[in-house]
Amino acid sequence: DSGVTQTPKHLITATGQRVTLRCSPRSGDLSVYWYQQSLDQGLQFLIQYYNGEERAKGNILERFSAQQFPDLHSELNLSSLELGDSALYFCASSVGLAGDYNEQFFGPGTRLTVL
Amino acid sequence: AQSVTQLDSQVPVFEEAPVELRCNYSSSVSVYLFWYVQYPNQGLQLLLKYLSGSTLVESINGFEAEFNKSQTSFHLRKPSVHISDTAEYFCANHHPVQYNNDMRFGAGTRLTVKP
Repeated sequence: DSGVTQTPKHLITATGQRVTLRCSPRSGDLSVYWYQQSLDQGLQFLIQYYNGEERAKGNILERFSAQQFPDLHSELNLSSLELGDSALYFCASSVGLAGDYNEQFFGPGTRLTVL
Repeated sequence: AQSVTQLDSQVPVFEEAPVELRCNYSSSVSVYLFWYVQYPNQGLQLLLKYLSGSTLVESINGFEAEFNKSQTSFHLRKPSVHISDTAEYFCANHHPVQYNNDMRFGAGTRLTVKP
């Protein structure tokens, strides 16, 4: 158990809908990262937040957004869902900025299925 | 620019045989290199990392990887595998904050250990 929790574990929805994925980092971790794992694109970094502020952006679509709240939990919002958004979404957390490299601990993931 | 290439998508081996999972990176800046393991239906776990110092790094369960700057490689090896090593292995490359602070993963290598 990494200490990172993600809810829900599974999510099934229809095209065009909007969903919210939630992540609670390990106690004391200030950084949260979101990743998407799909069969065709592999594991891709989406976005990072540090202490409530966006710090780095990867291959995140404009239809996707995220935020980190004062209690440090984070939410990833996916809107206008398409079939291709079906994937496993991971959250990871680390103590601080990864400039000096702080190990990232991964949650169990949320499996999103868009029908 | 940075990228990580895992040269084998699948590696089947028999129990107690040696294994090497290959990873090459492409980067023009300082790199941090990692191997993560993903067991079925689980999140990613850090197996080992290279940040600096000794080019040979080891994990607690018998895996080792060697950073080879001249060949831009970070291959993962184990002299004798167990059935329980069956999993997907990801090589990853991270750049610190001043270089966009993102983590790039390879496509993964599925290691299947047969009895």
